[in-house]
Amino acid sequence: AQKITQTQPGMFVQEKEAVTLDCTYDTSDPSYGLFWYKQPSSGEMIFLIYQGSYDQQNATEGRYSLNFQKARKSANLVISASQLGDSAMYFCAMKEVLSNYQLIWGAGTKLIIKP
Amino acid sequence: DTEVTQTPKHLVMGMTNKKSLKCEQHMGHRAMYWYKQKAKKPPELMFVYSYEKLSINESVPSRFSPECPNSSLLNLHLHALQPEDSALYLCASSRDRQQNEKLFFGSGTQLSVL
Repeated sequence: AQKITQTQPGMFVQEKEAVTLDCTYDTSDPSYGLFWYKQPSSGEMIFLIYQGSYDQQNATEGRYSLNFQKARKSANLVISASQLGDSAMYFCAMKEVLSNYQLIWGAGTKLIIKP
Repeated sequence: DTEVTQTPKHLVMGMTNKKSLKCEQHMGHRAMYWYKQKAKKPPELMFVYSYEKLSINESVPSRFSPECPNSSLLNLHLHALQPEDSALYLCASSRDRQQNEKLFFGSGTQLSVL
């Protein structure tokens, strides 16, 4: 079974609109961490945001926020006021004890921002 | 300095060549990683070094040989590769391997095996 599921292979969004990228996860660990990374066409994997399973509040980093719904095992990334430079692949990933703290990756979502 | 530097950026090699990929970080991180990434796929973990000791080898073929000469450097030695080994090779580092530690990635080496 997939541990990290990203159901949107690709998305087109108009510039300046908000974007929600979906991520659901599956773990039996009570303690785990969830990450979002951005990978532009240049190849570098850029860390965006982190949410710990025990964190009471949703994580925010500038224009990025994480909509964490623990009961639903959902960790969606929200990008406010999208910009052309947001066009990239976005990966959701998880660390858990059961996997020896290795990052488990989703398949990714390719986001294209239209001018 | 929050960078992970990888060299070379591009590499073309024949199946009989020997080459090395290099990775360097000066953030004092004690965990370093090699990932392989095929186009439009997520990265696949190859090796993890923790405190300069190899802690994870994800059943990688012996034609890939990692080396961690010191806490700042990570090499990946390549020998007798196959065309299917063509991919983007990403190096990453983190302070340690705890749950909340994010990985910092380099920009990768795009490898083509002819």
